[in-house]
Amino acid sequence: KAGVTQTPRYLIKTRGQQVTLSCSPISGHRSVSWYQQTPGQGLQFLFEYFSETQRNKGNFPGRFSGRQFSNSRSEMNVSTLELGDSALYLCASSKGKGPGANVLTFGAGSRLTVL
Amino acid sequence: DAKTTQPNSMESNEEEPVHLPCNHSTISGTDYIHWYRQLPSQGPEYVIHGLTSNVNNRMASLAIAEDRKSSTLILHRATLRDAAVYYCIPYTGAGSYQLTFGKGTKLSVIP
Repeated sequence: KAGVTQTPRYLIKTRGQQVTLSCSPISGHRSVSWYQQTPGQGLQFLFEYFSETQRNKGNFPGRFSGRQFSNSRSEMNVSTLELGDSALYLCASSKGKGPGANVLTFGAGSRLTVL
Repeated sequence: DAKTTQPNSMESNEEEPVHLPCNHSTISGTDYIHWYRQLPSQGPEYVIHGLTSNVNNRMASLAIAEDRKSSTLILHRATLRDAAVYYCIPYTGAGSYQLTFGKGTKLSVIP
């Protein structure tokens, strides 16, 4: 069974640019969540999508956005990049509903460096 | 969200049992207690979860206090691969859909 796939694994951007990260969930999982991990703040929740609808959003500025497609794949976008956006961005998938709904499977992450 | 308190770090000898404690005194009656771990350079990995009674799976056991204000993750025989940061997370689930990670406990396993 394939795990959660995130692309790209590493990327370098400059301030002011924008970036799009992609996440392919486990087959059959309809929920995708995104987390940001930095040494200072630890793991912080960005947003969660289920069946193309955002069900919850963390405390991040509007520069951070996401979407989910009908095949459950998800993308997140960060516009007008700042140095502080340098982080590991983690995607997690789950069934989203029913038994085992709350068990998340994480991908390996996308490491973003902003120069 | 319920607050959790975990030791910053712990050490264990290889092949010895490890008991990782977590205090969650403000947990609500409907919150499950989830444990995740994060190995170096990897995303977090689900370990186990429970509500009231003790739980076992192939990775670990979870002992939950009767008053649910604390829990203990038990690794029966620590291996080098168990060296990771372990997170205890009270999770409401429906209506929340987010995990609130604290700083966790960094477990070192000594060969």
